[in-house]
Amino acid sequence: SQTIHQWPATLVQPVGSPLSLECTVEGTSNPNLYWYRQAAGRGLQLLFYSVGIGQISSEVPQNLSASRPQDRQFILSSKKLLLSDSGFYLCACFGDRGPTYNSPLHFGNGTRLTVT
Amino acid sequence: GDSVTQMEGPVTLSEEAFLTINCTYTATGYPSLFWYVQYPGEGLQLLLKATKADDKGSNKGFEATYRKETTSFHLEKGSVQVSDSAVYFCARKTGGTSYGKLTFGQGTILTVHP
Repeated sequence: SQTIHQWPATLVQPVGSPLSLECTVEGTSNPNLYWYRQAAGRGLQLLFYSVGIGQISSEVPQNLSASRPQDRQFILSSKKLLLSDSGFYLCACFGDRGPTYNSPLHFGNGTRLTVT
Repeated sequence: GDSVTQMEGPVTLSEEAFLTINCTYTATGYPSLFWYVQYPGEGLQLLLKATKADDKGSNKGFEATYRKETTSFHLEKGSVQVSDSAVYFCARKTGGTSYGKLTFGQGTILTVHP
């Protein structure tokens, strides 16, 4: 089964600073990868997904970008953080069978970002 | 577009009480439905799922039945424990087999007191 690693676990950054959050996946190949954000008191919002190396789809316009330089690596970035970027960022992928009809998403443990 | 609506929280119960968390979804296509649980400081874990009408998902004493006629997938547990305190998310799956994605409800905070 796959394992999703995210780091760092927590991060405090000043407004205007750059951001790089990394997600790596073990135990599967060619996974679909997803970045979700959970803002305080809100549900999960899908930010980006990727079906392969170099392929990024953005769900909402925002201050963030994503990249997939390797098959099992997914990076979330920003050139200049805003206060509104604070939140809990979760990386996810489907299981070994991929996004078949009934397969669930599996999540990493997340990165809690506080922009001050 | 596709959406999921959960009952407003937070929900506070005493141990051994009965739990219901309501969830309804938009009826576009025939989505698979999921409940996830998030314990403090952690990511989301799959709790249970159902893939077609009248399916019942169950796990750890929790149950939810896929009701197509009411577009609902309510989460229930007969006797909650303090350890069930967490945030619960209902989700529906959209998209084809090529990419798929989950749309989540806003989450319901459950607190169980001894």
